[in-house]
Amino acid sequence: EPEVTQTPSHQVTQMGQEVILRCVPISNHLYFYWYRQILGQKVEFLVSFYNNEISEKSEIFDDQFSVERPDGSNFTLKIRSTKLEDSAMYFCASSEGGTGTGWETQYFGPGTRLLVL
Amino acid sequence: AQSVSQHNHHVILSEAASLELGCNYSYGGTVNLFWYVQYPGQHLQLLLKYFSGDPLVKGIKGFEAEFIKSKFSFNLRKPSVQWSDTAEYFCAVKVDRGSTLGRLYFGRGTQLTVWP
Repeated sequence: EPEVTQTPSHQVTQMGQEVILRCVPISNHLYFYWYRQILGQKVEFLVSFYNNEISEKSEIFDDQFSVERPDGSNFTLKIRSTKLEDSAMYFCASSEGGTGTGWETQYFGPGTRLLVL
Repeated sequence: AQSVSQHNHHVILSEAASLELGCNYSYGGTVNLFWYVQYPGQHLQLLLKYFSGDPLVKGIKGFEAEFIKSKFSFNLRKPSVQWSDTAEYFCAVKVDRGSTLGRLYFGRGTQLTVWP
């Protein structure tokens, strides 16, 4: 069964450094998302992406964050200058689009655990 | 902003016991509802979903959930749990605005521990 994959599984970085989290969505999916979960808190929406542009972003997704689909398979989240409070598990998700009952279902990757020191 | 509440943070059951996990949401319009499960060391997996039609939906591994619109609830049930059901369960809601895209609002999750 196709799955969303994410790399790396763990990332440790120093405050102020840039990090790029990578995701490979399911191949025929058209809609891509990033969520994060700070330890002990809810999974929170960051951004959704379709047709090479951001469709929606949350208040968390400030100028320090950016997303990109650099090629036909990868979807990346960049944090320009990391802060301590960016430490979290970051989940990528994708959904199919189109018609039918499955098109809205978001399929999640295993996550990248980011630790900012 | 929408909110999703899961009132049980940690549920401990013995095998064969019945399970019901509560989920309530705050949006008054049309919603799509989901339960995801995260087994230890694994990623979020879809357990079941409701879009429209029969409010009682059946998912994988014997789970079912009932959408009660008047109560803004989507409770998850299983008549007889197994040790392998030990996992964290997340309720999620998507506001249906007629668009394909839409963020999911998650509850805090309920950790289920099943003793053999």
